[in-house]
Amino acid sequence: IAGITQAPTSQILAAGRRMTLRCTQDMRHNAMYWYRQDLGLGLRLIHYSNTAGTTGKGEVPDGYSVSRANTDDFPLTLASAVPSQTSVYFCASSDKTSGGNEQFFGPGTRLTVL
Amino acid sequence: GQNIDQPTEMTATEGAIVQINCTYQTSGFNGLFWYQQHAGEAPTFLSYNVLDGLEEKGRFSSFLSRSKGYSYLLLKELQMKDSASYLCAPMDSNYQLIWGAGTKLIIKP
Repeated sequence: IAGITQAPTSQILAAGRRMTLRCTQDMRHNAMYWYRQDLGLGLRLIHYSNTAGTTGKGEVPDGYSVSRANTDDFPLTLASAVPSQTSVYFCASSDKTSGGNEQFFGPGTRLTVL
Repeated sequence: GQNIDQPTEMTATEGAIVQINCTYQTSGFNGLFWYQQHAGEAPTFLSYNVLDGLEEKGRFSSFLSRSKGYSYLLLKELQMKDSASYLCAPMDSNYQLIWGAGTKLIIKP
């Protein structure tokens, strides 16, 4: 692995189903983030983790949960998907939470909820 | 509240210069990032400014005025591959990035 990976690349999901989006980084970054990106809107932060074992809520956390059991992995779970969660989801990581450290992004997961 | 304002779309000619402006209001400030995002791809880092002034990096330069809540990205010698969206993202007092909707730059031959 080089950098940050996400799986699946894309998914079509029936409303009401549970879904986990996976994110793994091999850069030993302590901070990780989940964003969603919708047409005409900026990236919106769903949840973040400043270090393994801790998580926090972002701007749009409702309907999503995360865990950070170790440094490398940061899965995002939709407990019961709804059509408004149709979006492109990006995972990102950075070296530390202070200023000046850019976030590196995974390739994204395109999710469609029907 | 926190707010980012940048033009929705701009058009420029190959070989020319273009300036993409961004104004922002955030709760605290810890620098400002510019990212490039090609259609269907992830954002990639271009520049970071924390002090007032111009930062130059090859064909790309970024400027910051903290007192005016203003930044711009300057792209010189435009190439077709520069066609992309450019995202302005100041960092707030909690070290979270606040993202603008982005400026779609169209380069014409």
